Amino acid sequence: AQSVTQLGSHVSVSEGALVLLRCNYSSSVPPYLFWYVQYPNQGLQLLLKYTSAATLVKGINGFEAEFKKSETSFHLTKPSAHMSDAAEYFCAVSPKATGGYQKVTFGIGTKLQVIP
Amino acid sequence: AAGVIQSPRHLIKEKRETATLKCYPIPRHDTVYWYQQGPGQDPQFLISFYEKMQSDKGSIPDRFSAQQFSDYHSELNMSSLELGDSALYFCASSTQGAREQYFGPGTRLTVT
Repeated sequence: AQSVTQLGSHVSVSEGALVLLRCNYSSSVPPYLFWYVQYPNQGLQLLLKYTSAATLVKGINGFEAEFKKSETSFHLTKPSAHMSDAAEYFCAVSPKATGGYQKVTFGIGTKLQVIP
Repeated sequence: AAGVIQSPRHLIKEKRETATLKCYPIPRHDTVYWYQQGPGQDPQFLISFYEKMQSDKGSIPDRFSAQQFSDYHSELNMSSLELGDSALYFCASSTQGAREQYFGPGTRLTVT
């Protein structure tokens, strides 16, 4: 079964500092990988996705993630944190299946706090 | 652009009551997924449907049932509600072979 592990359930950064949220995946073959963001009392918004094209994936709001097969990692980064980035971030995985339906398995989430 | 619609957005029920959550996928999406997110937890997959047939099943209690209708909307029926069923329930939709799911805003169910 595929899974993702997010290191750090809470991360605090200063406004303007680098944001680094860690995610490692477990899969026998490279899966599809996603980062979702959830603002308080809101739904899940897709930040970016890796689907075996470019290993460096750029998403919305200035976020990007790099797929590293050798490290089985898909860490999320942003060069400069903004107060509006405070939210919970979920790394997620789905199998690279040929079928039309692929459930998504989420990590436990990392709450990002941005300190002014 | 049209998004996934879920109704109601908030629902309060008492123990042992029943609840029905509705999900309207993005137009032309044929696959619907249901997830449950408990307080402070990650979303957990419950069940999915493709072309009105159940395609996968996760940690869905026997007290819950779901179906997808001819217009592709889906309903999650929950009976004998328990306090532990209080959660945010997400619906997501996609097309066959799509590599991502689009999530709705969720229905927050509170069982008292």
